[in-house]
Amino acid sequence: DGGITQSPKYLFRKEGQNVTLSCEQNLNHDAMYWYRQDPGQGLRLIYYSQIVNDFQKGDIAEGYSVSREKKESFPLTVTSAQKNPTAFYLCASSIRGRNNEQYFGPGTRLTVT
Amino acid sequence: QKEVEQNSGPLSVPEGAIASLNCTYSDRVSQSFFWYRQYSGKSPELIMSIYSNGDKEDGRFTAQLNKASQYVSLLIRDSQPSDSATYLCAVPPRGKSTFGDGTTLTVKP
Repeated sequence: DGGITQSPKYLFRKEGQNVTLSCEQNLNHDAMYWYRQDPGQGLRLIYYSQIVNDFQKGDIAEGYSVSREKKESFPLTVTSAQKNPTAFYLCASSIRGRNNEQYFGPGTRLTVT
Repeated sequence: QKEVEQNSGPLSVPEGAIASLNCTYSDRVSQSFFWYRQYSGKSPELIMSIYSNGDKEDGRFTAQLNKASQYVSLLIRDSQPSDSATYLCAVPPRGKSTFGDGTTLTVKP
């Protein structure tokens, strides 16, 4: 089955620790995205990547880092510099082109205490 | 100004009624428009894409696009309790978030 996987589904960390969220897709999509969603809020773009070895900051990149070493993978690291890391993190991918329909993974719910 | 604005909810309709969800966008260059459905605690699911002015129908869902007015809407006919969710309007991302904040729809049996 083609799709996007994110792991783990739930993640708990202590304040001050870095944590890496996994995102893998086997849809052969070129572009991948990371969003953050807070309760009752819309989606805010953290980082996105149109091709391997290239990525750009979105609205709220501070305190986050990414890498895109393989087409299939786009991991997100939440660093200790991120002031309010507790949120629902969503990874998406799309085919490059004018349509840009995005398909989402199931998400990772991160809780930092 | 936000890239995409949705009418504030929540919206409540009785089962069998038509639910109307509205969205406006600010960038006249946008060529593609999307509606996503998000159930509570789940990730968004793409339900409709529309690229040309006019209506596009898919089952009980109809998307309507008016580029001159920069307006896109989603109609859900014969609403069912299973349609209860948050509906997100979106345009293709260009360096910033391009999702609306969503409208929460409740369909009452």
